[in-house]
Amino acid sequence: AQSVAQPEDQVNVAEGNPLTVKCTYSVSGNPYLFWYVQYPNRGLQFLLKYITGDNLVKGSYGFEAEFNKSQTSFHLKKPSALVSDSALYFCAVRGAPNAGNNRKLIWGLGTSLAVNP
Amino acid sequence: DAMVIQNPRYQVTQFGKPVTLSCSQTLNHNVMYWYQQKSSQAPKLLFHYYDKDFNNEADTPDNFQSRRPNTSFCFLDIRSPGLGDAAMYLCATSRESDSNQPQHFGDGTRLSIL
Repeated sequence: AQSVAQPEDQVNVAEGNPLTVKCTYSVSGNPYLFWYVQYPNRGLQFLLKYITGDNLVKGSYGFEAEFNKSQTSFHLKKPSALVSDSALYFCAVRGAPNAGNNRKLIWGLGTSLAVNP
Repeated sequence: DAMVIQNPRYQVTQFGKPVTLSCSQTLNHNVMYWYQQKSSQAPKLLFHYYDKDFNNEADTPDNFQSRRPNTSFCFLDIRSPGLGDAAMYLCATSRESDSNQPQHFGDGTRLSIL
């Protein structure tokens, strides 16, 4: 069965420090991986995706993520955190074509990021 | 700007009183989704339309229905809301000419049940 795990419910970092939000996945075939951010009382905003190619993906607001096939991970990173990065972060995966109903995203449970001034 | 718009942002209804939430999009995407999200949990897919093709999730209660009269609009109807249906309802769209495209979300409608 396809699944996504975000092992940390909450991550706390000091402003200016690097941040990492972890995501591991289990999916048959090659995965399509996504990160979304959700601010309070807002919808989810797309940050970045990995489809194929370079394992390091750069996205919005200075975020990047590294795809690691051997570890089945897709951790979200930012070199220098801002207080305004405080939000809920979701990792999601969908199977590659011919992997069933691949229009559906499988969502992680979310990680709450708090960046302290 | 092209976007996904949900109205209203906040909706209060009474227990058992039917309610309709609306979603419109200017992205001309052929897939539209409805999600339910409770208190900072992961969004839960209720159903989606691929063009006019309706796809219901197996665990979506019969109380939830949807309509998509045209490409731009999609509605979520809750026939007899219960207290457990209080949640944020998110509409999303995607362009499915290929499946590596992200979903685009509206800002949601927060539904309260009195």
